[in-house]
Parts: sequence; structure tokens; C-alpha cells
Amino acid sequence: DAGITQSPRHKVTETGTPVTLRCHQTENHRYMYWYRQDPGHGLRLIHYSYGVKDTDKGEVSDGYSVSRSKTEDFLLTLESATSSQTSVYFCAISVAGENIQYFGAGTRLSVL
Amino acid sequence: RKEVEQDPGPFNVPEGATVAFNCTYSNSASQSFFWYRQDCRKEPKLLMSVYSSGNEDGRFTAQLNRASQYISLLIRDSKLSDSATYLCVVTRPRYSTLTFGKGTMLLVSP
Repeated sequence: DAGITQSPRHKVTETGTPVTLRCHQTENHRYMYWYRQDPGHGLRLIHYSYGVKDTDKGEVSDGYSVSRSKTEDFLLTLESATSSQTSVYFCAISVAGENIQYFGAGTRLSVL
Repeated sequence: RKEVEQDPGPFNVPEGATVAFNCTYSNSASQSFFWYRQDCRKEPKLLMSVYSSGNEDGRFTAQLNRASQYISLLIRDSKLSDSATYLCVVTRPRYSTLTFGKGTMLLVSP
């Protein structure tokens, strides 16, 4: 168990509303990641963080922003949700010195 | 060429069968390679790392051919509990980001 908690676990929202997903870790890991997983696409990296206030874009970052104001929390925000952002969102951490990533349980988001 | 390509699935096998999954990757600068397992509606979990010399963990054997940019996973004596989607994963040479294949579903039947 890598001590990763995602919240909420499920969310249904309407198009145009803002949504924030939270990833919380308890083990002081430096690197954190947000992915989305969709049928036919596999896991795709949205944004990642390599330290407090240090973030970078992944391959599918359009429409998403992130913030990391403290080590333990990495927030993913959809400023104005669209139906194409209906997906399962996974947060992950990697342990220093390793390339292995450990995942949270995921958030299922439906945008109607 | 996609960054990571895997065999399309699903693979349907009986218990006790041996099954092999193949994967190719496009970035020759990739340094680390993994197989992850993902159960239905669950998060991906590391199954095993893949080393150039090949490595084995019980019924699972992983191999890497850097020259061909090819990775394989062999499962011997399949169990019902092996039913899952197997993800081939390769590092991008920056900030420990990973590229995931789309996965191959394995269904083991009695």
C-alpha cells in the first residue's frame, strides 16, 4: 500500500461546471502523476509534479490544470467540464530512485 | 509507430495453459520496463520489472530484447486468478514518466 487516497471516488457533474479531484499521499513522495483511462486508449498522462509548485504537462493536458501547494496533495481541476472528460482518473506516485509507479484506487467521473 | 504496442486481446485460455504476451516500444532511449496487471475496475498494480537478462517470478517470466525493442511476458500454468488485463509499460527518459500500452485482456476459464 503506497498510502494514496483519491477523492471523490465517484462523481457525476454537468457540462460546464468546475470539478476538482484530490490525490493525497502520506509518505512524502516527491513525484506525483495524474492519468486518465478510457476504453481504446489505455492510461494517458495528464499532468505530473516533481515537487511542491513544480508541475509539468503530460500528453493530454488540454482542459486540465493542477496544483501542488504541499507535498502530500496533488489536485486536478477541470475548469469547465465537458462530456469528453468523462473517464476514470488515476493518481500515482513514484518512489525516489525508482521508476515504478503506484496508483490510487481511481475516481470515476461522469460529465453529463 | 505508437510508443508502446501490445497484442490485441482478449486471450481466452483454459486453466493450466501457458500464454505469452508481446509488446514493442518505439523509444530506443527508454531505460526501464515493466508489466502491470489491472483487474476489472481496479487500479493498475506492478506485476514485475523487466530486465535485459530476463527475469522470473514464480510462474511469470519476462524478457527484454533491446535491439528489437521487444518485451514479452510468459505465464505458465494459468490460474483463474490470472484473469486480468496486462499492461506493458516503458519509461520516457524524463522525470520518470511512463508510457502504457493499451493492455491485453486475459481470460482463464475452468
